[in-house]
Amino acid sequence: QKEVEQDPGPLSVPEGAIVSLNCTYSNSAFQYFMWYRQYSRKGPELLMYTYSSGNKEDGRFTAQVDKSSKYISLFIRDSQPSDSATYLCATRKGYSSASKIIFGSGTRLSIRP
Amino acid sequence: GAVVSQHPSWVICKSGTSVKIECRSLDFQATTMFWYRQFPKQSLMLMATSNEGSKATYEQGVEKDKFLINHASLTLSTLTVTSAHPEDSSFYICSASEASETQYFGPGTRLLVL
Repeated sequence: QKEVEQDPGPLSVPEGAIVSLNCTYSNSAFQYFMWYRQYSRKGPELLMYTYSSGNKEDGRFTAQVDKSSKYISLFIRDSQPSDSATYLCATRKGYSSASKIIFGSGTRLSIRP
Repeated sequence: GAVVSQHPSWVICKSGTSVKIECRSLDFQATTMFWYRQFPKQSLMLMATSNEGSKATYEQGVEKDKFLINHASLTLSTLTVTSAHPEDSSFYICSASEASETQYFGPGTRLLVL
């Protein structure tokens, strides 16, 4: 069993729709959860970073963590064609950024104009 | 924001040759640098972690004699793929962090071994 499971998609939605991206993880020791966006042939960029269960909002993006069910989500409101990318959920055990990050396989998202 | 660069952005080489990839932190001192590999439509897999001035720590299954990592300064780490073979063709991405801050990723280097 992979430590972080993520539906690879692809997911295609019309512009303006609300997008829901989800991951599950297996190890309750994971404490920190991240969402990265990766455009084709580029390195990943950090979108959201959360520690505790609950919601964290940043503009059109909301990250949600439910530690009891080991479930993490990213919601994108008013989706734009520029949001088309691969979204990677990730987690790590320790506080330090030197802790190993475990990535999901990524979900390819396409926003249709 | 923190910027990490990689050079070259892409490289094509013949089987059996060695290739060096550079990773630089441009506006901060990276105490720790990481090297990842990403195959098409797959996620990033950590290959090794390096701290400035120390030997790199390799993940299980990664050959340290094949993938040589040097982190000689706080702003530069290099990954050398020795005796490259077609199965080494991949997207290599580095990341860097300063103290307890988050990891910042480079733009990646695409390697094609013929």
